[in-house]
Amino acid sequence: ETGVTQSPTHLIKTRGQQVTLRCSSQSGHNTVSWYQQALGQGPQFIFQYYREEENGRGNFPPRFSGLQFPNYSSELNVNALELDDSALYLCASSLPQGNQNTGELFFGEGSRLTVL
Amino acid sequence: QKEVEQDPGPLSVPEGAIVSLNCTYSNSAFQYFMWYRQYSRKGPELLMYTYSSGNKEDGRFTAQVDKSSKYISLFIRDSQPSDSATYLCAMSRSAGGFKTIFGAGTRLFVKA
Repeated sequence: ETGVTQSPTHLIKTRGQQVTLRCSSQSGHNTVSWYQQALGQGPQFIFQYYREEENGRGNFPPRFSGLQFPNYSSELNVNALELDDSALYLCASSLPQGNQNTGELFFGEGSRLTVL
Repeated sequence: QKEVEQDPGPLSVPEGAIVSLNCTYSNSAFQYFMWYRQYSRKGPELLMYTYSSGNKEDGRFTAQVDKSSKYISLFIRDSQPSDSATYLCAMSRSAGGFKTIFGAGTRLFVKA
């Protein structure tokens, strides 16, 4: 069973550029969530995808967008990068919704984005 | 006011000490309560998961939830240097990890 993998692990962009981060979910997980973790802070919920549809969003502007593919892998896209977008971006997969005993998020190691 | 408040520390203790970590929250709709551990340059991993109020024990770790006070705790007995990490409390209103809200994390150092 493979865990959650993310790419790239590190990247540097300049203000105004666009970035795409990728995530492969854990085997059997059809739900993917994206979180932003600034230095010294806890992860902040960006959005969640279930069966290729966005089904929940945190307090992030529309320039943060995502996709989920039929194999449950996912992308996070950020347009018009700002300095404050510098953070660790975490992808987490989870078991299918409806399992009342499950709240666990399985995280990847993250993509560290630096915006200059 | 943040939905979840957690003292960022750092907290430094000697090996073998009992560690107490805690969070307060404001949203009474939270039903699922979790503690995640995050080592440096790694993603968080689940330590403890509790539904509603009560206690849960797993080895050296005990999680407590007091919904009436909107207060959750994690106790670590016989702390080890390998426990040195950031501990994140987390909570959500529904199952499946949907819109899980995290605290800021408490950095713990256990000295040998």
